[in-house]
Order: sequence, then C-alpha cells, then structure tokens
Amino acid sequence: AQSVAQPEDQVNVAEGNPLTVKCTYSVSGNPYLFWYVQYPNRGLQFLLKYITGDNLVKGSYGFEAEFNKSQTSFHLKKPSALVSDSALYFCAVRDRMDSSYKLIFGSGTRLLVRP
Amino acid sequence: GAVVSQHPSWVICKSGTSVKIECRSLDFQATTMFWYRQFPKQSLMLMATSNEGSKATYEQGVEKDKFLINHASLTLSTLTVTSAHPEDSSFYICSARETGLQPQHFGDGTRLSIL
Repeated sequence: AQSVAQPEDQVNVAEGNPLTVKCTYSVSGNPYLFWYVQYPNRGLQFLLKYITGDNLVKGSYGFEAEFNKSQTSFHLKKPSALVSDSALYFCAVRDRMDSSYKLIFGSGTRLLVRP
Repeated sequence: GAVVSQHPSWVICKSGTSVKIECRSLDFQATTMFWYRQFPKQSLMLMATSNEGSKATYEQGVEKDKFLINHASLTLSTLTVTSAHPEDSSFYICSARETGLQPQHFGDGTRLSIL
C-alpha cells in the first residue's frame, strides 16, 4: 500500500537559519512527489514536484527538495527561513501507474519560524 | 498560473439543510476534480474523484447519497452535502487537475458549520 510519512508534527527554526521538513514514502514503482503549503483557513498551494531527472528540485519561494531513491525520501529544504514561511506543509505522492491520479498525503508538518 | 475558485468560503446553517459547494477552474480545463475533507490539525482525506461527464468515484466509507458530486463541465464541479448534521461540520477542499503531469491545484476551501 502507498503511504507517506512526515515524522515531525512541528519544526521550529530561527529566522535566517536553514530549515528541513522531512518526508519519506512507500510506493510500488517510481513515484511522483509533491510538496504543498497550507496557510490558516486556506487551501493548499503547490510548492514543487519531482517527476524525473535531476534529484534536486527547486520550487516556489526559495524552497527545494531532494529526491533520494535509496532512502525513499523527499525532504523539503530552504537555506534561510523567513517568519512568513510559518505554515503547515504537506508531502504527497502519486503512483505513476495509478490512472486515477490520486494523491496520498502525509500527515503534515507545522513549521514555526521565530523572529 | 492555474487558479481554482471555491465558493462559498464559509457556511453556517441549521441541521437538516442541504449545502452546495462549487469548485471552478478559472483558466484551465480540469480533466479531473477531487474533493477532500480536512479535520482540525489533520491531513486531507480524499472523499471522491470526479471526471467530467461521468459519475464520481467515492472513497471507501464516504456516503455517496450524503455527499452528491456533479461534474457537469470541464471547469465546474459541485459537492452537495445533503441533510447536513453537526458531524458534517468540517473544512472541505476541492482540487483540479489539468492533463499530463501537471500538479493538482487547490481551491481555498469551504468551512462548513452545522448548528
């Protein structure tokens, strides 16, 4: 069965420091991987995706993620955190062979960037 | 970029009322639309997948007679919560998918409160 794990409920980081939000996945075959961000009372905003090619994917707002096939991970990173990055972050996976195009979401990680 | 509009953003109504939520893709044609439910501090739970012109596919445990989904055009899907009760109170989010490898784009959600 497909699954996504975000092991940290919350990540705290000081403004200006690098941040990492962890994600590991379990899916048969090669996955498509996504990161989304959610601000309070809003829907999800797309940050970045891994489809194929370069393992390091760059996305919106200075975020990037690295696909590691051997560790089945897709951690989200940013070199220098901003207070405005504080939000709820979701990792999601889609099985390439799934014709329904459904996304499987992780449980979410709340990022808190303190001034 | 791709924009998904969801309306209304907030609904408060009495128990027994039916509530309709609209999800529109504003600048692209959505081959598939998805409806999610999100409980406080939890991840998104997929309720159903709808393809234009065909019946929606509901996830296990979701009552199709309770949550009516119509996807009449490539830009509009609606979710009707019939005879809503307090336990139906939740945050409902739609998303839409273009063709190919494009990510899902999400609406801003509808907060439904049943008194």
